[in-house]
Parts: sequence; structure tokens; C-alpha cells
Amino acid sequence: AQKVTQAQTEISVVEKEDVTLDCVYETRDTTYYLFWYKQPPSGELVFLIRRNSFDEQNEISGRYSWNFQKSTSSFNFTITASQVVDSAVYFCALSEALGGTYKYIFGTGTRLKVLA
Amino acid sequence: GAVVSQHPSWVICKSGTSVKIECRSLDFQATTMFWYRQFPKQSLMLMATSNEGSKATYEQGVEKDKFLINHASLTLSTLTVTSAHPEDSSFYICSARLAGGWTDTQYFGPGTRLTVL
Repeated sequence: AQKVTQAQTEISVVEKEDVTLDCVYETRDTTYYLFWYKQPPSGELVFLIRRNSFDEQNEISGRYSWNFQKSTSSFNFTITASQVVDSAVYFCALSEALGGTYKYIFGTGTRLKVLA
Repeated sequence: GAVVSQHPSWVICKSGTSVKIECRSLDFQATTMFWYRQFPKQSLMLMATSNEGSKATYEQGVEKDKFLINHASLTLSTLTVTSAHPEDSSFYICSARLAGGWTDTQYFGPGTRLTVL
């Protein structure tokens, strides 16, 4: 069965520190997709990245970077030089092509607090 | 592009009443829409998958007679919480899958906060 684990419930850092949010997934499918979303206090999910199972290249977007390692079934997210505006809940999600439904399974989320 | 709206953004109702939440894809057609609920400080739980022109598929444990879903067009899906009770108070979020686009990518609405008194 598919599963997404975000072991870190809450992380607090001081502004300008780097922080890594962990995501470990389980799937039996060879074709799958991984996502990261940010949920600020307003509640709206903000899409951050989509990665398919065949693309293990790491990605950097500004202060954000992602490390995808199939060998350890992990898709970790690093924020460099964190800012107060980064405070939010971050969700990792897995989508499988199971039966063509592509349903998302979300992790439990990591609440990031960036202190000024 | 790929904007999804929800209406209302928040609603307060009395116990026993029904509440309808609309989910619209504003600038694209969506053959499939999804409904989630999220309790405070918890993750999103998929309630049902809604396909245009057919019956919704509900996840295990979700009462289909209580949460009525109608996907009447390629841009609109509605969720009706019938005979709402305080335990139905939650944050309801819809998402839409772009028809003809990446089938794995969902675009999320801003959510509807339901409070049942």
C-alpha cells in the first residue's frame, strides 16, 4: 500500500538558518509522482514541486531545493536562509497511476516555524 | 492558469441543515475533481473522486448519503453536506485535474471552512 511519512511534526528555526523537511514514501508502483505543497495559515495549498519516479535529478528553485533518492525512498525538501514568510505547514504527497485514478496520498505534514 | 475556486470560503450553519459547497475550475476543464477534508492540525484526507457525468467514488468510511457530490459539468463540482452536525465541522478542500494535461497533477481550491453549531 502507498504511504507517505513525514516524521517531523514541528520544526522551529531562527531566521536565516537552513532547514530540511523529510519525506519518506512507500509504493509498489514503478511509475509514481511526488509533490510538495505549502499550506500557510490562510489554508490554501500552494504547489511547490512535482517530480516523477524516473527523474532523480535534484532541483533547486531559489532558496528551495529538493533531494530525491529512490534508493532510500525519500524526497526531502531544504529551505536555505529561511525567512519568517516560510512559516507554514508543508505536505509531501505521493500519486500513483493505480487504475488511472492518480489519487494523492498526503503525509501528515511538518509545521515549520521561522522565528525572527 | 489552472485556477480553482471554492464558494463559500466559510460557512456557519445550524445542526440539521444542509450546506452546499461549490468547486469551480476557472480557466480549464476538469474531467476529475477531488474532495478532501482536513481537521485542525491534521493532514488532508481524500473523501471522494468526482468524475464529470458519472457517480462519485467515495473512499472507505465516507458516507455517500451524507456527503452528496455532483459533477454536472467540466468546470463545476458540488459537495452537499446533508443534515450537518458539529462533527462535520472541518476544512473542505477541492482539487481539479486538468483534462488533457498531466494526469497526475491536481490544482487545489482555497478551501471552505464549515462550522456547524
